[in-house]
Amino acid sequence: KQEVTQIPAALSVPEGENLVLNCSFTDSAIYNLQWFRQDPGKGLTSLLLIQSSQREQTSGRLNASLDKSSGRSTLYIAASQPGDSATYLCAVSHLTEYGNKLVFGAGTILRVKS
Amino acid sequence: EPEVTQTPSHQVTQMGQEVILRCVPISNHLYFYWYRQILGQKVEFLVSFYNNEISEKSEIFDDQFSVERPDGSNFTLKIRSTKLEDSAMYFCASSVTTMTVYGYTFGSGTRLTVV
Repeated sequence: KQEVTQIPAALSVPEGENLVLNCSFTDSAIYNLQWFRQDPGKGLTSLLLIQSSQREQTSGRLNASLDKSSGRSTLYIAASQPGDSATYLCAVSHLTEYGNKLVFGAGTILRVKS
Repeated sequence: EPEVTQTPSHQVTQMGQEVILRCVPISNHLYFYWYRQILGQKVEFLVSFYNNEISEKSEIFDDQFSVERPDGSNFTLKIRSTKLEDSAMYFCASSVTTMTVYGYTFGSGTRLTVV
């Protein structure tokens, strides 16, 4: 059974810092990995999607890497801003004959102080 | 940018009542999903739906739950007899195919409170 772990559980940094969020998964036979942002009481916004054959994806100040063999992904946020404060969720998918469901980590709560 | 729309945003219901949560997936998407998030816990998979039938469901998705695509645009989750532990945020999602090159698109969720 796939388990997804995110470290740290919470992170507080001053504005402008570069930071790294970590995600690990126990079953490396994933189809893809997706990073989401969740604001309090709100829905899930997709940030980056990495296919299992890819090593990284970039969008603006965000860079996500994937090391499938070791079961790890990192989300790098450059020059953090107070508006980046949110919960960041990592989710992996497996492709089966039945479909493609996501297994989520518990998230990292990020607070960027101005 | 296309969105997945969920209604209502918040629903309060009494224990034992039936509720229907509604979703309008992105129009060219073919696969539909329901997930839920109990306060303070992980987002959990409930069910996936394709070609007018359930393709996969979790252990959580027992006989009190059902899904339906009553017309060409709506996708609903029905909870027949709600329990206190059904209180959660329910998310609808859709994807173009199972080969989710573009990933999932999630709706903004329905917060269900059972009292």
